Amino acid sequence: GAVVSQHPSWVICKSGTSVKIECRSLDFQATTMFWYRQFPKQSLMLMATSNEGSKATYEQGVEKDKFLINHASLTLSTLTVTSAHPEDSSFYICSARRLAGDSYNEQFFGPGTRLTVL
Amino acid sequence: GQQLNQSPQSMFIQEGEDVSMNCTSSSIFNTWLWYKQDPGEGPVLLIALYKAGELTSNGRLTAQFGITRKDSFLNISASIPSDVGIYFCAGLPGTYKYIFGTGTRLKVLA
Repeated sequence: GAVVSQHPSWVICKSGTSVKIECRSLDFQATTMFWYRQFPKQSLMLMATSNEGSKATYEQGVEKDKFLINHASLTLSTLTVTSAHPEDSSFYICSARRLAGDSYNEQFFGPGTRLTVL
Repeated sequence: GQQLNQSPQSMFIQEGEDVSMNCTSSSIFNTWLWYKQDPGEGPVLLIALYKAGELTSNGRLTAQFGITRKDSFLNISASIPSDVGIYFCAGLPGTYKYIFGTGTRLKVLA
């Protein structure tokens, strides 16, 4: 159990276009999902917290209008990178928080999406 | 954003050796977790710790939640080639938002 998927696994797009990344919890319900960004050889940096049915909470320095997050259901959150530029190229990883007994603080991560903006 | 100090940054070891890495913080955490990340993949949870002083094992892995609640360590015994990867600690100062460590890159020489 506790499987999280992401789609697509990689995407290449032209500068100025928008890209949507999906994050799904496959076998559990996730009231909270998280979006991270990871640059090569660096750690994961939290971008935003996504709560089902409400607006996402963005970390300081993350542009809300640039990175649109929608958490439409208990199993799906989407991240849309709008008007992408080469500096947006990165590895984007989502995670989902599962409520299960004492393990209420565990996050389960998706496999990541490699975005390359030309 | 804030990150936890993790050491060592990288290590090369011989197959069969034991490995130890740790994570420290200037502030208190309620939960410590250890993840492993393979290249091009998302992190996979190895061990979760919820109480100060807690010592938990998962196969060849052992992790402890420091008494002061400001540190944690992870030990890997009898390393094998598939242990190669990046190990991240993560701490929760509150109830849901992780702060990640800087990572330890492990390479195992057969």
